[in-house]
Amino acid sequence: GAVVSQHPSWVICKSGTSVKIECRSLDFQATTMFWYRQFPKQSLMLMATSNEGSKATYEQGVEKDKFLINHASLTLSTLTVTSAHPEDSSFYICSAREGSGTGDSPLHFGNGTRLTVT
Amino acid sequence: QKEVEQNSGPLSVPEGAIASLNCTYSDRGSQSFFWYRQYSGKSPELIMFIYSNGDKEDGRFTAQLNKASQYVSLLIRDSQPSDSATYLCAVLDYKLSFGAGTTVTVRA
Repeated sequence: GAVVSQHPSWVICKSGTSVKIECRSLDFQATTMFWYRQFPKQSLMLMATSNEGSKATYEQGVEKDKFLINHASLTLSTLTVTSAHPEDSSFYICSAREGSGTGDSPLHFGNGTRLTVT
Repeated sequence: QKEVEQNSGPLSVPEGAIASLNCTYSDRGSQSFFWYRQYSGKSPELIMFIYSNGDKEDGRFTAQLNKASQYVSLLIRDSQPSDSATYLCAVLDYKLSFGAGTTVTVRA
């Protein structure tokens, strides 16, 4: 089945620094990837939709200047958390849809990145 | 009103029993529905997806969709301790919206 690889799986950083998270689709091309954030005991919240070759689409309330998304190729999207603060500590999960990337294709998730900002 | 609603649980069932999970959604135009399982500290994994009214069976799992009533359910037959997890219902519109999840505990 489709595999989505996410790296790193966990990271600890100091407040004020930036952290980059990579998301790769290993055996399919993904024109669209999605970035979610999940706080403890809460459901996944969509942060932004990453579009290959164009700007990401951010959900309401998500700061685009703080969460930089780059989708440079059909298999790679990156999320950079800039000037991280302790409240940014969360579980970040990327996902991609196989097939044409539209409609009903199932969404496959990366393994997630546990970010802790000290 | 939340877009996707689930009972948070926890739902506790004995081993071998049927676990029944329910999910309702607000957008009548939604067409695609997904159930994901998430173990603590792990990323969600897809269990089933359903697009048409009725039942869809895959092994011990059965998804049921009723678009008129705007609900989708998941049945887990012959529940095993390894089924203990949080089950997320997701509905696809222009984005995939998740319910808060139902925590299931299967007692050995």
